[in-house]
Amino acid sequence: GAGVSQSPRYKVAKRGQDVALRCDPISGHVSLFWYQQALGQGPEFLTYFQNEAQLDKSGLPSDRFFAERPEGSVSTLKIQRTQQEDSAVYLCASSLVGRLANSPLHFGNGTRLTVT
Amino acid sequence: GESVGLHLPTLSVQEGDNSIINCAYSNSASDYFIWYKQESGKGPQFIIDIRSNMDKRQGQRVTVLLNKTVKHLSLQIAATQPGDSAVYFCAENGGQNFVFGPGTRLSVLP
Repeated sequence: GAGVSQSPRYKVAKRGQDVALRCDPISGHVSLFWYQQALGQGPEFLTYFQNEAQLDKSGLPSDRFFAERPEGSVSTLKIQRTQQEDSAVYLCASSLVGRLANSPLHFGNGTRLTVT
Repeated sequence: GESVGLHLPTLSVQEGDNSIINCAYSNSASDYFIWYKQESGKGPQFIIDIRSNMDKRQGQRVTVLLNKTVKHLSLQIAATQPGDSAVYFCAENGGQNFVFGPGTRLSVLP
């Protein structure tokens, strides 16, 4: 498919477990964003990559959150020692150009993380 | 009518009527805005965008209006259909990253 693909669609983790969420952006897209969406709220920015460089991680809520995009395409968001407050939908979005170029973000369908 | 729900404001409209969804944005430096539609279990889907050098832009059945003086954005949907039922978010580019509003749930009544 031509869209942004995220896996898994659903993830249940016991508190304290580590999780890894995967994002396959649209081929050729320079920018990749991770957002967190709590129930009934709008997406909140987590981090931004331009190609393989992580240019902004100001939205990551704690040092338990780590993201990478080593070859400038697929990205992984890792959450260590998950807590109940980490339960949310994690959305990945990509854009053809850099974030200052005013181009729309194309979102995947997200990974719903539930921490029990 | 429009009411504030527990989490999201909700707009209920009759099928075939026009819908107007409003959004107040926060950053006067924002120069690019997008409306997204989000259906249950899916990611936000791009509807229409507008740059700050415009005050109106039209798409298929949708129109976005931008009032920079009062930092207000609206989305008009003509002849609302059942498939338009979803949560609608405005997003502003806020200098660096896109900042999303709280969203409005549109409910289309038969």
